[in-house]
Amino acid sequence: NAGVTQTPKFRILKIGQSMTLQCTQDMNHNYMYWYRQDPGMGLKLIYYSVGAGITDKGEVPNGYNVSRSTTEDFPLRLELAAPSQTSVYFCASSYGSSGKGKTDTQYFGPGTRLTVL
Amino acid sequence: GDSVTQMEGPVTLSEEAFLTINCTYTATGYPSLFWYVQYPGEGLQLLLKATKADDKGSNKGFEATYRKETTSFHLEKGSVQVSDSAVYFCALRSNDYKLSFGAGTTVTVRA
Repeated sequence: NAGVTQTPKFRILKIGQSMTLQCTQDMNHNYMYWYRQDPGMGLKLIYYSVGAGITDKGEVPNGYNVSRSTTEDFPLRLELAAPSQTSVYFCASSYGSSGKGKTDTQYFGPGTRLTVL
Repeated sequence: GDSVTQMEGPVTLSEEAFLTINCTYTATGYPSLFWYVQYPGEGLQLLLKATKADDKGSNKGFEATYRKETTSFHLEKGSVQVSDSAVYFCALRSNDYKLSFGAGTTVTVRA
């Protein structure tokens, strides 16, 4: 199993450009998450999904959109990039509704480092 | 809301030294507690976890005990190695499946 994969690894955008960060998991996990990590800060949840066709906002959703058309894929869309979106983005997945409840372990991808200039 | 407070870094140690990273939490109910580790250039990996009071999580020589009375989950290792250099995150999870992370503590171990 590849686990959670993310593309691209690095990207530089100009202000106002748009892009999609890709995330795929091959563990048949129900739940998927997008986080951002700013220097010296913990991870902040942007959006999450509890299954195909279902998404919900996290702590910092403004400026982002997501979709979940399949169990495996959970892309994150930036429509109008701003310097405040310069960050490292991590995708994660977990079993979620398998009965493991709050012991459910999240598995993380390697991250995408995004710079907006 | 739920929150995690971690000891600020950076922490620099010599090999074979004792490591402690403090973590305290605020949560409603009875959360599960986690320590994640992030090696340079990589994503986060689960290091250990504990799901109820007095549980001890352990892995790779690291240990942490879930202390409900002090709302703490301090990470310890008795003898660190250079390969333990990383950023360590404390996190909690309540019933809504979402993780709340601390700010992370950077640990550097020198030979």
